Amino acid sequence: RKEVEQDPGPFNVPEGATVAFNCTYSNSASQSFFWYRQDCRKEPKLLMSVYSSGNEDGRFTAQLNRASQYISLLIRDSKLSDSATYLCVVYSGAGSYQLTFGKGTKLSVIP
Amino acid sequence: SQTIHQWPATLVQPVGSPLSLECTVEGTSNPNLYWYRQAAGRGLQLLFYSVGIGQISSEVPQNLSASRPQDRQFILSSKKLLLSDSGFYLCAWSRGVRDGYTFGSGTRLTVV
Repeated sequence: RKEVEQDPGPFNVPEGATVAFNCTYSNSASQSFFWYRQDCRKEPKLLMSVYSSGNEDGRFTAQLNRASQYISLLIRDSKLSDSATYLCVVYSGAGSYQLTFGKGTKLSVIP
Repeated sequence: SQTIHQWPATLVQPVGSPLSLECTVEGTSNPNLYWYRQAAGRGLQLLFYSVGIGQISSEVPQNLSASRPQDRQFILSSKKLLLSDSGFYLCAWSRGVRDGYTFGSGTRLTVV
C-alpha cells in the first residue's frame, strides 16, 4: 500500500460547484497533515494544515479521520482560480525529518 | 520574515555536462533543507535533506549529490548529467517539519 494515496483526477467541475477530494495514508502513527496547492509549472504552496477537529478557511474545509486514516478537502463555490493540483501531505513523526507527498489530484474549474 | 531563493529558474544542459543548483534561505537559522525532483506528470521525489551544515542524507541513489557548505545554503550537483535527470527541481526548508515546508520557486532542467 502506498504511503499517501490520492485519486489523480482530473476533476472537471463548473464554476460555483462544490468539490471534495479524499486522501488515505498508511501510517497510523502519522502526526501532521496538510493540503498543498500546485499550479501548473509552479512550486507547491501550503494551502492549509489539517487539524483533528477539522478546520475551515473561507471556502475551504479540511477534515481528518484518524480511525479510517483519511483526510479530505472540500472546496465550496469553486472559482476558475481554484484550478490546480492539490497535494495531500503527511508527516509521520517518529523522528522523521521529511513529509510524504501524495501524487496530487488535478482540479479544473470550467466557466 | 523567511524567504527562500532558488536559481536559475530554467536551465538547458547537454548530456555529460556538470550541474550546480543553489538554494539559500533568509530570515532563519539552522533550517532543515530539502531537494526534491518532480518529473513531468509525476509526483515529488525526495532526493536529499540536511538538518545541519555538512549533514546530508540521500534518499535515492543516483547521479546527483548535495552539499551544505553554510547554514542557509544548499547545493545540488552532478558531475555528468543524464537525459533522465531532466525535471523540475525544488528546494524547500522547514523550521520544524511538523509545521510543513516552504518551497523555492524551482529550477526547470532540460538535459538535451
